Amino acid sequence: EAAVTQSPRNKVTVTGGNVTLSCRQTNSHNYMYWYRQDTGHGLRLIHYSYGAGNLQIGDVPDGYKATRTTQEDFFLLLELASPSQTSLYFCASSDRTESNERLFFGHGTKLSVL
Amino acid sequence: GEKVEQHESTLSVREGDSAVINCTYTDTASSYFPWYKQEAGKSLHFVIDIRSNVDRKQSQRLIVLLDKKAKRFSLHITATQPEDSAIYFCAASLAGNKLTFGIGTRVLVRP
Repeated sequence: EAAVTQSPRNKVTVTGGNVTLSCRQTNSHNYMYWYRQDTGHGLRLIHYSYGAGNLQIGDVPDGYKATRTTQEDFFLLLELASPSQTSLYFCASSDRTESNERLFFGHGTKLSVL
Repeated sequence: GEKVEQHESTLSVREGDSAVINCTYTDTASSYFPWYKQEAGKSLHFVIDIRSNVDRKQSQRLIVLLDKKAKRFSLHITATQPEDSAIYFCAASLAGNKLTFGIGTRVLVRP
């Protein structure tokens, strides 16, 4: 079973604060993703990556940076956090081959920006 | 880009009955349609998917139907049990491309 670990599980910061969310996967998956989950919007893709050093823009990238340092590690950075970024953030990974596109999700990080 | 609409925001069914969740998509080129389940306070996990080369797929009590003409797909949960209570997300993508999710349907199975 694929394992995706996110940290921290909960984070509270103030407007203008600097936040880094971490994600590590141990399944040698090429693809990693950051989503945010909000009531009424479902899951929306922020950034994703298909390998170390690669970064692709998702559907709601404004206000977020991301960095994939290794195949295992993918970070989401909020350099000037705003209350609109209060959300539940999920990291996911996948092989995304023709026959297997299944996403494996971490447990989520609940971020509150006051 | 692709847009996925999930038509039922909540669904309440009696244990043993069937639950049906409907989704529509906009991009005729989309060919991959997975479903994910999120139990209360937990993360999402994959439950079933269907590709555009078939119009029906079943896995135990879960059935997915795909109508490409109508750009509609649906999840049928048969013989519902309490553990089926969760939020279900549909999604769509071109094969090998990023997924677009619906907003989720909360399913409540009443005794």
